[in-house]
Amino acid sequence: EAGVVQSPRYKIIEKKQPVAFWCNPISGHNTLYWYRQNLGQGPELLIRYENEEAVDDSQLPKDRFSAERLKGVDSTLKIQPAELGDSAVYLCASSSSVGRNTGELFFGEGSRLTVL
Amino acid sequence: QKEVEQDPGPLSVPEGAIVSLNCTYSNSAFQYFMWYRQYSRKGPELLMYTYSSGNKEDGRFTAQVDKSSKYISLFIRDSQPSDSATYLCAMNTGGFKTIFGAGTRLFVKA
Repeated sequence: EAGVVQSPRYKIIEKKQPVAFWCNPISGHNTLYWYRQNLGQGPELLIRYENEEAVDDSQLPKDRFSAERLKGVDSTLKIQPAELGDSAVYLCASSSSVGRNTGELFFGEGSRLTVL
Repeated sequence: QKEVEQDPGPLSVPEGAIVSLNCTYSNSAFQYFMWYRQYSRKGPELLMYTYSSGNKEDGRFTAQVDKSSKYISLFIRDSQPSDSATYLCAMNTGGFKTIFGAGTRLFVKA
């Protein structure tokens, strides 16, 4: 079974430039998450999708971050314009939890962003 | 105060040692407790999952939850160099917001 696939793995950009990350979740997983992991910290939730609907985007900085999940499968996370503080690893995760969430998340390898 | 506290380490042990990793938390509503392992430049992978209090064993790994003390532990027996990674504790209330600790970096020396 293929895992969660993310691209690109690494991205270096200058501040104020746009950047986009792509995620393909595990087949059949209806719940998709974007997390941000700063150096030396645990992942922090940015947004959660149930199928196509963003059901929790309370931690997403909406002035510069946007996300979409077309057709309830793949998802894209965009930052425009990027700031120095956005340097982090952006992790996509998926789960098939229905109803109560047990926290069993399947993560991709992450997209490491460096903003210069 | 963070909801979940975890000593970042690093923790260095010789091969074969018993490793103890711990987290404390403040939210008494947490019911589901997880341990994730994260190798360098990789995503976290689920190691152990426990519901409510008690112990759970899986091979060389044992997870313990003490809800009365708001304290969870992961024990690794007969540690191997391949266990060298960052170990993240995580927990949630049964909703969809999982809170992660900062992770403890573990080095197992051959």
